Amino acid sequence: ETGVTQSPTHLIKTRGQQVTLRCSSQSGHNTVSWYQQALGQGPQFIFQYYREEENGRGNFPPRFSGLQFPNYSSELNVNALELDDSALYLCASSYETGTGETQYFGPGTRLLVL
Amino acid sequence: AQSVTQLDSQVPVFEEAPVELRCNYSSSVSVYLFWYVQYPNQGLQLLLKYLSGSTLVESINGFEAEFNKSQTSFHLRKPSVHISDTAEYFCAVSDRTGRRALTFGSGTRLQVQP
Repeated sequence: ETGVTQSPTHLIKTRGQQVTLRCSSQSGHNTVSWYQQALGQGPQFIFQYYREEENGRGNFPPRFSGLQFPNYSSELNVNALELDDSALYLCASSYETGTGETQYFGPGTRLLVL
Repeated sequence: AQSVTQLDSQVPVFEEAPVELRCNYSSSVSVYLFWYVQYPNQGLQLLLKYLSGSTLVESINGFEAEFNKSQTSFHLRKPSVHISDTAEYFCAVSDRTGRRALTFGSGTRLQVQP
């Protein structure tokens, strides 16, 4: 059973650019959630995808968007990057059946916006 | 909406001493409760979780946490810590319906000294 993987591990962009981060969920999982972890803070929920549909969104602007593919892998896209977007982006997968399933996290992508 | 407060940003402790990391939450609905651990430059790993039943839950590496509904707390304890327990610990909650996104506290840095 493979775990959650994310790519790339590190990324440097400049303000105004666009970025795509990728996540491969754990085998058998149908739900992917994305979190942003700024330095020295706890992760903050961006959005969640369940069977290719957005299933909830946190307090992030529309320039944060995502996709989930039929194999349940996922992408996070951020347009018009701002300096405050510099953070560790974490992907978590789970198999949702309605009883508090564990979310398994990937190692994250560290994004630096200059 | 939920919120999580981790009262201590850093907890220094000597090896083999006991430790308690405090977590309080606020929610208008029933929640699931989690503790995650994050080692340097890594993603989050689930330490333990409370879904229902016994209010005392244990992990395989000696940590335990007790759900106290009246005090809305879920403090993490270990009777004897090791150097290898040095890490960032995050308390998190999710509601029992809907998307079950995790709301995290700001984290507690456990520093185990020899």
